[in-house]
Amino acid sequence: GENVEQHPSTLSVQEGDSAVIKCTYSDSASNYFPWYKQELGKGPQLIIDIRSNVGEKKDQRIAVTLNKTAKHFSLHITETQPEDSAVYFCAASLRTGNQFYFGTGTSLTVIP
Amino acid sequence: SAVISQKPSRDICQRGTSLTIQCQVDSQVTMMFWYRQQPGQSLTLIATANQGSEATYESGFVIDKFPISRPNLTFSTLTVSNMSPEDSSIYLCSVEDTGGYTFGSGTRLTVV
Repeated sequence: GENVEQHPSTLSVQEGDSAVIKCTYSDSASNYFPWYKQELGKGPQLIIDIRSNVGEKKDQRIAVTLNKTAKHFSLHITETQPEDSAVYFCAASLRTGNQFYFGTGTSLTVIP
Repeated sequence: SAVISQKPSRDICQRGTSLTIQCQVDSQVTMMFWYRQQPGQSLTLIATANQGSEATYESGFVIDKFPISRPNLTFSTLTVSNMSPEDSSIYLCSVEDTGGYTFGSGTRLTVV
């Protein structure tokens, strides 16, 4: 099955700086890569996703890049704010009804 | 995107007892997924629940321990049976909708 690795496990940045979280996957058939943000006591919330026919996607301060050849994808958060502090999970799957394989999570702390 | 109501949000249970977790979706969905998130860990898929058929369980999870019901296209339950402290986790349901995969807010279970 798919194996998703995520780094770093913890990340602290100063407010206004950028944060980058990286994930690698093993199954070249995976074609859907979402990122989830989980705040304390809440379920994961989808923040951005990318499909394998796209190399980069951006939504305001958040961007995701995908390198299919190297089988890795990254989350970039610019101009970080304290409310960005949360645990972020990457995932990989075959789209439509297939299970997600989640990374181990990154605990991001934005220091005011 | 779909809205999921999951309850209870948390519970403390005695070992040897069972707890049933409910998920109600505001729209009809073909598949519902049940995940477990152990403390400080990532999400692991327990089973996929289709309406009108038996749930499909992932390796390491069995129906006797985690029976699932899916009586209609908007509702599902997961029961954690004969609980032990090792079952202390967050349990989440998830559905696929047009906006990607949406998660419930989770049930934080503590077994004492």
